[in-house]
Amino acid sequence: AQSVTQLGSHVSVSEGALVLLRCNYSSSVPPYLFWYVQYPNQGLQLLLKYTTGATLVKGINGFEAEFKKSETSFHLTKPSAHMSDAAEYFCAVSDDSGGGADGLTFGKGTHLIIQP
Amino acid sequence: NAGVTQTPKFQVLKTGQSMTLQCAQDMNHEYMSWYRQDPGMGLRLIHYSVGAGITDQGEVPNGYNVSRSTTEDFPLRLLSAAPSQTSVYFCASSYSGTHGNTIYFGEGSWLTVV
Repeated sequence: AQSVTQLGSHVSVSEGALVLLRCNYSSSVPPYLFWYVQYPNQGLQLLLKYTTGATLVKGINGFEAEFKKSETSFHLTKPSAHMSDAAEYFCAVSDDSGGGADGLTFGKGTHLIIQP
Repeated sequence: NAGVTQTPKFQVLKTGQSMTLQCAQDMNHEYMSWYRQDPGMGLRLIHYSVGAGITDQGEVPNGYNVSRSTTEDFPLRLLSAAPSQTSVYFCASSYSGTHGNTIYFGEGSWLTVV
């Protein structure tokens, strides 16, 4: 069985500061890892994903994440926070290489607050 | 290309009523799934389908039925709504690409059971 743990249900950073959202996973097979963002009352938007290959993955809006197998982690970072980054962020894992057939396992989410 | 379309976007039900949340995708994806999102719980998988005529249960299937008679459609049925089913529901579809899976989500359906 897979699981995802997001450390910190709320993270607050100042505008211009580094954003770091933590995600640890467990999976019995090589994982596919995802970060999604959700703005209030909207659906989920894919920020980035790791499948195979390069462990540092760049996504949209200046975000990136690094897959560290030894630490079973996939933390999300952004060098400089913007007010528009305030949202809910979800880390998710799939162990299905065939296309997400049996769905994703999500973490409980981290609410990112940007202080002016 | 509409992607994944969910209807209705908002619905209020009375306890015991039944309803169907519709989900349609126009991308010819093999895989479709339903999730519910509750505060502090993230998204949890309700049911999923790997192709027409094939469905299976996810983490929280109780109180929900699904069917997949066509590739395009994957409706979610609440047979007798309960207040515990008040939630936001997301439908997703996906396929297997050369770089792993690509999953597309609908915009969500907000359901309140009173």
